[in-house]
Formats: sequence, structure tokens, C-alpha cells
Amino acid sequence: DQQVKQNSPSLSVQEGRISILNCDYTNSMFDYFLWYKKYPAEGPTFLISISSIKDKNEDGRFTVFLNKSAKHLSLHIVPSQPGDSAVYFCAAFRGAAGNKLTFGGGTRVLVKP
Amino acid sequence: DGGITQSPKYLFRKEGQNVTLSCEQNLNHDAMYWYRQDPGQGLRLIYYSQIVNDFQKGDIAEGYSVSREKKESFPLTVTSAQKNPTAFYLCASSILGTGSYEQYFGPGTRLTVT
Repeated sequence: DQQVKQNSPSLSVQEGRISILNCDYTNSMFDYFLWYKKYPAEGPTFLISISSIKDKNEDGRFTVFLNKSAKHLSLHIVPSQPGDSAVYFCAAFRGAAGNKLTFGGGTRVLVKP
Repeated sequence: DGGITQSPKYLFRKEGQNVTLSCEQNLNHDAMYWYRQDPGQGLRLIYYSQIVNDFQKGDIAEGYSVSREKKESFPLTVTSAQKNPTAFYLCASSILGTGSYEQYFGPGTRLTVT
């Protein structure tokens, strides 16, 4: 049972334009949602997070939006840069479930110069 | 420099052999985790530990074993019982406490079993 899903396996965007990555979840008990960025053959690095009681969090070029009623979150990257080309994972955290993260399948982003 | 180290970066083994992957952290984190990533897939939790000498199974623990004898170390053994051991293995750690949710990842070990 996949509790966190990223339905778009890949995304291609022109440099300078907006990248929008989507993530859906099924468990309404998640406390936080996180986005990680991963380059090939490296470990994921934390990008941005949002508490389940918020609907928006912004950090520089990255903004995460949370729609609890739809159980949906999205990551906006604007403007997109070639260095943003990577795989992005959405993850959900529930403290009461052993402090574990549940990951989505990832979205590969390619930013074309 | 604080961080998580995993060694080796690449590991090759013959089928039927057990192999142990190393994970060390000097972040003074209480919790440590092992994940597996397969091509085109997300990260799946194998085992995790919140305290020394204690650990819990994750979603795909079959064919794996762990130990947590020291706070800094959480080695993972891939046994011959693991049917598809070839994968990219990631170790992570985190602090425990209210509002602490971020996990920090090591660089990973790519295991190839032939």
C-alpha cells in the first residue's frame, strides 16, 4: 500500500521557467512533509519541508504548497536552473509511527539550458 | 566535519555470500536508518534503530540483519536469503524529539551480486 505517491516519473522544463512537482498521500496522520533532492550515486539532500498545519512554506526559489483536504502537496521551483536537474523525492513523517519517513517514488527533473 | 560515512562506495559479491555494509555517523544522532533504492523507485525502509542495542524492522527487512552496538555505527548485513540484493543502499540518521523529522543521508553503497 503506497501511502505517498509521485505520479509523474519525469519532468522536462526550460531554464528560467517554473518546475512543478506533485505528490499525493493517503494517510491524514502525517505530521510533516519533506522534499529531498538526489543526484545519481549520491545520498538525498534535504530541500524544504512543511508542517501539516501550514499550507505554504517558501525558501528562496523553492516553495511547497500543502492542500490537506486533497491530500496533495506540490513543490515549485522558480526560476529553474540546470543545476536543479536531479531526482526529487517527496517524503512524509509521522512521529507516532516510530519517527519514520515514507517516500514517494521520485520525479526526475531535467532543466534544459 | 560532521556527517555520515558509508563504505565502500561500490561492492561486488557472488551469490550465496553474506556481505556487510558499513555506516558511521559523528552527528551524535540517536536514530539511524537503512534504505534500499532500486532503479526508478523510491526509498524503502529496511531497518531502523532509535537507541543502542535496539532496532526495528522496516517494510522490507527479510534477508537483512543489523546491529547497533554503538551510537555511531549501524552496520547492515545482506544475507544470502535476500532474493534480489543488487541495489543502492542508503544509511541515514536523525535526532529524536518533538519537531525533529529531517533525516540526513550518507553517500550510499552500490551492491552488485552476481
